[in-house]
Amino acid sequence: GAGVSQTPSNKVTEKGKYVELRCDPISGHTALYWYRQSLGQGPEFLIYFQGTGAADDSGLPNDRFFAVRPEGSVSTLKIQRTERGDSAVYLCASSLTGRGLAGALRGGELFFGEGSRLTVL
Amino acid sequence: AQKVTQAQTEISVVEKEDVTLDCVYETRDTTYYLFWYKQPPSGELVFLIRRNSFDEQNEISGRYSWNFQKSTSSFNFTITASQVVDSAVYFCALTGPGGSYIPTFGRGTSLIVHP
Repeated sequence: GAGVSQTPSNKVTEKGKYVELRCDPISGHTALYWYRQSLGQGPEFLIYFQGTGAADDSGLPNDRFFAVRPEGSVSTLKIQRTERGDSAVYLCASSLTGRGLAGALRGGELFFGEGSRLTVL
Repeated sequence: AQKVTQAQTEISVVEKEDVTLDCVYETRDTTYYLFWYKQPPSGELVFLIRRNSFDEQNEISGRYSWNFQKSTSSFNFTITASQVVDSAVYFCALTGPGGSYIPTFGRGTSLIVHP
């Protein structure tokens, strides 16, 4: 498809389980972002990729969270030993622009997927 | 550090009313970018507008208009003659070197337009 695709759209898991959330960005977009959105809140930054590398992972809440983007396209957010507090909608966004680029290209708009709703029981 | 404040949590209007969504931001950067996004019930945030800090000219796009005022650090969004389809959560966002060009979002304003 033409947009950002996220799977699964919904995931229910039990506390302590391992979860993977997948993001397929718009073709050609080098920048990829993961955000987390809790009910009634705005998107909260988790991690940013420019190409294959994690350019900024300062938003990851702890070492249970990890993300990869091995070929510079699809990204997977991995959460180990899930906790009830991890329940949220995980949003992925891609962009033609990003911090690694020059001038106005740094401040471009993001294209979001519909999110993956994670519920930890 | 960057911060975006959307003080209005929820606004309820009747169709055809005009409505303004407020956004106040904080940054020490001289060059930065401001955005508005719309999040309908389906969940996908949709980009509406981008404004750079050197362009204070107000913009109008159909029923939408934006008022950027650096003097008050505000970037307000007005919908004229609101429609039921405008019902959504609207987010204001800011990016710039002070935040490593990682967009910072406000907590959003939920707009409910009643028929």
